[in-house]
Formats: sequence, C-alpha cells, structure tokens
Amino acid sequence: AQSVTQPDIHITVSEGASLELRCNYSYGATPYLFWYVQSPGQGLQLLLKYFSGDTLVQGIKGFEAEFKRSQSSFNLRKPSVHWSDAAEYFCAVGGGTASKLTFGTGTRLQVTL
Amino acid sequence: GAGVSQSPSNKVTEKGKDVELRCDPISGHTALYWYRQSLGQGLEFLIYFQGNSAPDKSGLPSDRFSAERTGGSVSTLTIQRTQQEDSAVYLCASSLIQFGTDTQYFGPGTRLTVL
Repeated sequence: AQSVTQPDIHITVSEGASLELRCNYSYGATPYLFWYVQSPGQGLQLLLKYFSGDTLVQGIKGFEAEFKRSQSSFNLRKPSVHWSDAAEYFCAVGGGTASKLTFGTGTRLQVTL
Repeated sequence: GAGVSQSPSNKVTEKGKDVELRCDPISGHTALYWYRQSLGQGLEFLIYFQGNSAPDKSGLPSDRFSAERTGGSVSTLTIQRTQQEDSAVYLCASSLIQFGTDTQYFGPGTRLTVL
C-alpha cells in the first residue's frame, strides 16, 4: 500500500530564512510525487510535481523539490521564505494516470516577521 | 481558463438528512476525483471517474455515499442519512491525462457541517 509521511506537523521560520519540508513515501513502483499548498479556507494549489527525469524540480512561488529514490524522499525547499508562504503544505504520491493520490498529514508553516 | 468549481461552498444540515455536493471540473478534463478532508483523518480519497470507465469507488466509507458523473462533466456526490462524522471539507479535483501523466487540480471545496 502506498503511504506518505510528513514528520513535521508544525514549522516556524523567520521571514527571509531558508525552508525545507520533509516528505518520505512508500510506493511499490515508480512514484509520481506532488507538493500542494493550502491556505486557510482554500482548496489545494499545486506547487510542483515529479514524474520522471531530472530529480530536482522547480515549482511556482520559488519552491523546488528533490526526488531521492535511495531515501524515498521528496523534500520541498525554498531559499528565502516570505510571510505570504504561511500555509499548510501537503506531499502526495500517486501511481500515474488516473490514479488516486495518497496524502501526508501536512506541515503547517508559520512565518515570523 | 476557469478552474474547478464546487457548490455550495458551505452546507449545514441536520443529522439524518440527505445532501448533494456538486463539482464542475475544468473543461476538457476527463478524470474527476472526490476527496474528503477532516481533522481526524486528513485527506482521504473517495471516488474517481475516468471517461466512460466504471468509477473506482474503493474509497467510499459506507453505502450512504454515492456519486455520479453526468455527460462526462459535472459530478454530484450524495450523502444519505448524514451523520455527524460526515462533517468535513469535500474536495473535488479534475485532470487531463496526457502523455501518461496525470496532474490533479483541486476546487475550493465544500465544507459540510452535520448538526
């Protein structure tokens, strides 16, 4: 069965500091990996995705993530956090076409000024 | 173009009543998914539709839950005899399966409160 673990429930960083959100997955075949962000009262917005190819993927809002097969990880990074990045971040794994997503429990990011 | 839309945005109902939640996918998207987001269970898959294939209902929590997709577009999720544990945000997503990949785009959700 597929699963996603986000070990950090809540992270606080200062504006301008770097950020790394951790994600570990379990999947029996080639995983398709996603990061979504959810602001309060909003739906999920896609930040970036990994299907194949270059293991370092770039997304919107200055985010990037690196797929490491040996570690079963897909960590999200941003070099300099902005106050508007405060939200909840979800990592998800799927199996490709027409495949349900399995989500992690989310990491809530708080940004201090 | 327009994203996924859902209606209503909020629904308050009494225990035992039936509710219908609507999802309008992105035009041209062939796959449609329903998920549920609750405090205790996180984000859970409920059901998905792909073209004319039989839907994958493996995530529906009970037979009180059903969904249909008319004309390959709009979908309705129906919950019969609602219970308090059905209170959650119901999210719809759609995708265009292309070149063997599938990226799901989510709507804003319907917040269901069962009193």
